[in-house]
Amino acid sequence: SQQGEEDPQALSIQEGENATMNCSYKTSINNLQWYRQNSGRGLVHLILIRSNEREKHSGRLRVTLDTSKKSSSLLITASRAADTASYFCATGLNKFYFGSGTKLNVKP
Amino acid sequence: NAGVTQTPKFQVLKTGQSMTLQCAQDMNHEYMSWYRQDPGMGLRLIHYSVGAGITDQGEVPNGYNVSRSTTEDFPLRLLSAAPSQTSVYFCASSYAGEKLFFGSGTQLSVL
Repeated sequence: SQQGEEDPQALSIQEGENATMNCSYKTSINNLQWYRQNSGRGLVHLILIRSNEREKHSGRLRVTLDTSKKSSSLLITASRAADTASYFCATGLNKFYFGSGTKLNVKP
Repeated sequence: NAGVTQTPKFQVLKTGQSMTLQCAQDMNHEYMSWYRQDPGMGLRLIHYSVGAGITDQGEVPNGYNVSRSTTEDFPLRLLSAAPSQTSVYFCASSYAGEKLFFGSGTQLSVL
């Protein structure tokens, strides 16, 4: 893959716990984006962090970016059963490359 | 404002048949792209376009053709379908190469 991978591949937690997933990428970036995919549906944009930003928040989401390590993390705080989905990171300018995703299962 | 519309939602083809997957967006986005997603995997870029009349290849372009005659439409053509093209296909668009808006997908089976 030209993009890299999310880690872990699967994550199972209890409702109320925090979920952290990581993304590594291979090339220089302008921005990095995170998307969510509910089973069988199209992807939905969650958050975008630019290469000159180190951290960004949106509601219960916190994204960090370390360009020196070519990695990003997505933290979902106080998870809910409705957060059960696959999460993907994407980088690129005109060509957007996605990793294989982290499958999150939040148990009620 | 419908966003990104893909048709059909489901399609079954026989090996060797041809078909066109339709994608239209009403957000005046310059950037449009096609992805395929195989079971349990991420999205792989097939072709993309940065504006009317401009297209380029992604990671897995073989067996697929595209054209972009208008800003709104970006059809994906399978010239001679093969079982390896069984997948879910997603069309996406964006403004200025940032946040991608996805269609709801086309589930294609090639027998």
